[in-house]
Amino acid sequence: GAGVSQSPRYKVAKRGQDVALRCDPISGHVSLFWYQQALGQGPEFLTYFQNEAQLDKSGLPSDRFFAERPEGSVSTLKIQRTQQEDSAVYLCASSLVPSTSTGIGTGELFFGEGSRLTVL
Amino acid sequence: QKEVEQNSGPLSVPEGAIASLNCTYSDRGSQSFFWYRQYSGKSPELIMFIYSNGDKEDGRFTAQLNKASQYVSLLIRDSQPSDSATYLCAVYYNQGGKLIFGQGTELSVKP
Repeated sequence: GAGVSQSPRYKVAKRGQDVALRCDPISGHVSLFWYQQALGQGPEFLTYFQNEAQLDKSGLPSDRFFAERPEGSVSTLKIQRTQQEDSAVYLCASSLVPSTSTGIGTGELFFGEGSRLTVL
Repeated sequence: QKEVEQNSGPLSVPEGAIASLNCTYSDRGSQSFFWYRQYSGKSPELIMFIYSNGDKEDGRFTAQLNKASQYVSLLIRDSQPSDSATYLCAVYYNQGGKLIFGQGTELSVKP
């Protein structure tokens, strides 16, 4: 596809259920990011991948959150035993250039439409 | 203290006026600065980026960077109602290579 695709767009889960959110980045994009955006807040960094390597997962709020990108393209964010505070929009973004600790920038991030998770 | 700070607003300006959006950041080592626009219920989209001190203009938008003051701003000239959105400041942190966002400033342009 032409853009970043996320699914499902909307997910309602009962507290304690496990959920999986999928991100299909733009073809050829090396870097992939997950952000969590609560209502009225800016996106909060969760984790990012460069190809299949998860280079930073410092933003994952607890060990209930897990992300993977096994073949360097599609990524899945899994949340185990969901809690009400997990309710948010989960944004995936991809970038053509690698994200580097020495470079001058990441390049433009292209965002998907997000997956809105509501935990009851 | 959050790494990237913005006034949450809302900022209300009349149509045709200049809207000024401000952002401060904490990491002096930051090199790259971005402004994203986010319409309600939509995903963020990049408006501008700036790397060097001074001004950078693109159409009605001007980004300003002052690294000594750790301050970046976005000016929108001839504001239009279609500019009404939340504007997110984002800073690239070299340690770890991640883009950190502020909480966003809601802009409302009144006809």
